[in-house]
Amino acid sequence: KNEVEQSPQNLTAQEGEFITINCSYSVGISALHWLQQHPGGGIVSLFMLSSGKKKHGRLIATINIQEKHSSLHITASHPRDSAVYICAVGSQGNLIFGKGTKLSVKP
Amino acid sequence: KAGVTQTPRYLIKTRGQQVTLSCSPISGHRSVSWYQQTPGQGLQFLFEYFSETQRNKGNFPGRFSGRQFSNSRSEMNVSTLELGDSALYLCASGSGGPTYEQYFGPGTRLTVT
Repeated sequence: KNEVEQSPQNLTAQEGEFITINCSYSVGISALHWLQQHPGGGIVSLFMLSSGKKKHGRLIATINIQEKHSSLHITASHPRDSAVYICAVGSQGNLIFGKGTKLSVKP
Repeated sequence: KAGVTQTPRYLIKTRGQQVTLSCSPISGHRSVSWYQQTPGQGLQFLFEYFSETQRNKGNFPGRFSGRQFSNSRSEMNVSTLELGDSALYLCASGSGGPTYEQYFGPGTRLTVT
């Protein structure tokens, strides 16, 4: 079993929909990252959080340390949000990555 | 501030050769981490350097090595290349290590034939 599990693996949405991507982990962590990767490979760090909730524009990330679970929400999704979203946990100086969720937002 | 830069962006090598990849971090960042991304394994942590010292290491064979210079620039070396080393190699810089906010470079796509 992977230490970081993401769901769903693939997600297709219509423009304007509310989107949720989930991440569960099984190790002790010091922080959790949400990353966005566009075709071509470039990775952008969206959030780093160790408790509670963070919001940036239309993106919201939450984490529940007791349940070892985090969610990334996108409100009013747009085709430019189409990308792979990756959850990564910081544990013992390393980053352990989930397999990613490929999001496609149709106009 | 300039972002993280990686050179070269694309590289084709033959099995058995060695390769050196370079990463220049954001000015002021002392931590540089390296990652390998393949379709099968996804993203995996290689190692992290902080102030010229390797601070953390992932589960990769000794063929993968790195170093960091006094200006925080880092190089990664892979010796005796294997077909399975074909991957996108990403570096990221930050003020701390991988458990702090990371700023990623564009990556070097290595193809081993």
